[in-house]
Amino acid sequence: DAGITQSPRHKVTETGTPVTLRCHQTENHRYMYWYRQDPGHGLRLIHYSYGVKDTDKGEVSDGYSVSRSKTEDFLLTLESATSSQTSVYFCAISESNSQETQYFGPGTRLLVL
Amino acid sequence: GQNIDQPTEMTATEGAIVQINCTYQTSGFNGLFWYQQHAGEAPTFLSYNVLDGLEEKGRFSSFLSRSKGYSYLLLKELQMKDSASYLCAVTDGAGNMLTFGGGTRLMVKP
Repeated sequence: DAGITQSPRHKVTETGTPVTLRCHQTENHRYMYWYRQDPGHGLRLIHYSYGVKDTDKGEVSDGYSVSRSKTEDFLLTLESATSSQTSVYFCAISESNSQETQYFGPGTRLLVL
Repeated sequence: GQNIDQPTEMTATEGAIVQINCTYQTSGFNGLFWYQQHAGEAPTFLSYNVLDGLEEKGRFSSFLSRSKGYSYLLLKELQMKDSASYLCAVTDGAGNMLTFGGGTRLMVKP
């Protein structure tokens, strides 16, 4: 199994508070991705990174920001959480671009009250 | 943009064969992935098709027709542990992003 961890695994927070989710990999893969998964919508890409300090927006990036200061870490920040951001968040990695297999972390369940 | 369609749910019997279809309309296409996701767990890779035709991997096979924008995942000799969601995903033309369909929830009954 690819070495991917996510923290925290579960979080409950209140509307308007900032939240940061962390994805950590030990595979030295270049690409990292953040997805959210909601019933009826499947997995949707939020942001992705193609190298240190190189990031780009995905399908549902509004309300989210990311940072990648090291190869192994990719952070997802909700600057001011809203109830619509209640979801399961998955991090994924791939050796190069999306034509390579993506390996997923265990997920973070976020509840915004 | 990308549009991917899969049936929402399917039910099949243990030991049988089931085919899960996926159709897509995309502005660019490089290949199509199938992932398996058990409830409460992360998706795991099953197959990747780039060229037309059938690729077989044990009990699972995946087919792609690029001209028709169509793929299917074939599961043979179904086992109870095959009860899961099956996600179809296509890569964009630039190869930077995967777009997933909504997933097909398969229930295998005894």
